[in-house]
Amino acid sequence: AQTVTQSQPEMSVQEAETVTLSCTYDTSENNYYLFWYKQPPSRQMILVIRQEAYKQQNATENRFSVNFQKAAKSFSLKISDSQLGDTAMYFCAFMKHEGTYKYIFGTGTRLKVLA
Amino acid sequence: EAQVTQNPRYLITVTGKKLTVTCSQNMNHEYMSWYRQDPGLGLRQIYYSMNVEVTDKGDVPEGYKVSRKEKRNFPLILESPSPNQTSLYFCASSLSRGLNSPLHFGNGTRLTVT
Repeated sequence: AQTVTQSQPEMSVQEAETVTLSCTYDTSENNYYLFWYKQPPSRQMILVIRQEAYKQQNATENRFSVNFQKAAKSFSLKISDSQLGDTAMYFCAFMKHEGTYKYIFGTGTRLKVLA
Repeated sequence: EAQVTQNPRYLITVTGKKLTVTCSQNMNHEYMSWYRQDPGLGLRQIYYSMNVEVTDKGDVPEGYKVSRKEKRNFPLILESPSPNQTSLYFCASSLSRGLNSPLHFGNGTRLTVT
């Protein structure tokens, strides 16, 4: 069975600085999808970034980028130029490429951006 | 506006009293799913549906039922709620599986069972 581990329950970063949130996973699959979702205090879940394991190139969305290391089964999220609005809970998620619709989420990292 | 609508937003009930949390999406999505969010445990999938009349268990299905009689609706039913089902619940939908069909979440239902 697949598992997703986020080893940092809480982090903080100064506004305008860069922070990296870690995510590791365990799977025997060769192709799969990885996602980062953000949950601000409003509790709405918002997609931040996504990556297909088959693609080597790291995904980037504006200030958000990932460092995808397939061999190490690592999918960390880097937030550059942190803003107060980035304060949220961040969840890493895994889904197999084929077959079921099962999503596996990590336990989350609570990020606080300090003014 | 494209959205997933969950109701109610907050619910307090007593042990054993059957309840239903409704979920409706207006995006003609094929796939729908339910999650519960608990501190320290993240989101865990309860049930999912890949089409009308097709449902399957996620990781924590015990104590829950779902139905998918029509594409837009996917209610979550707790036949006999217990205090360990106190949680924050999310419904989500997507057009299909995969990278280009991310989950669209509802606003969540905070359930307290006393």
